[in-house]
Amino acid sequence: GQNIDQPTEMTATEGAIVQINCTYQTSGFNGLFWYQQHAGEAPTFLSYNVLDGLEEKGRFSSFLSRSKGYSYLLLKELQMKDSASYLCAVMDSNYQLIWGAGTKLIIKP
Amino acid sequence: ETGVTQTPRHLVMGMTNKKSLKCEQHLGHNAMYWYKQSAKKPLELMFVYSLEERVENNSVPSRFSPECPNSSHLFLHLHTLQPEDSALYLCASSQVSGTGGHEQYFGPGTRLTVT
Repeated sequence: GQNIDQPTEMTATEGAIVQINCTYQTSGFNGLFWYQQHAGEAPTFLSYNVLDGLEEKGRFSSFLSRSKGYSYLLLKELQMKDSASYLCAVMDSNYQLIWGAGTKLIIKP
Repeated sequence: ETGVTQTPRHLVMGMTNKKSLKCEQHLGHNAMYWYKQSAKKPLELMFVYSLEERVENNSVPSRFSPECPNSSHLFLHLHTLQPEDSALYLCASSQVSGTGGHEQYFGPGTRLTVT
């Protein structure tokens, strides 16, 4: 079967760095996506990785290792507004997104 | 224009009611999706329309009926729902090409409560 695993909840301090991990087992791979979802709002696209390595976009970076079925989202210089759920999703061989349950990130002052 | 809009934002309905959810995308995309989001569960893909043809139907009960009259509009018709159907229903769109799909853009969702 297809499976995406990510931690349910994480807590971090304002100004610090946090890494959210995602492991996956899917039938085929056409890229991995990270989305941010604030409570009561729509998910918004953060990053896309299809090749191994690190993609940096401002305070956010995303890493992919296809051989290990592993990705992480790295958030630097955390701000209170980063409190949200972070969703990992893999595009399978049918070009459909398989989603993780999301990681709720709590930022404390 | 906001990229993807959904109406209504909140809906309370009894199990014998019939209602419809509406989604509109202003991004010029050629694919649209309906998802169900329940608390602490992964997003569940319900239906996919690509170029106005339904290409995916993930064993969704027949009490949910989608309609895609054109590439910009998507409806989800609801009838005789059950309390366990209470959830956030999200619409999304993307541009799908011959080399595969791209990121999906989501609407704000409809919070549905079935009483």
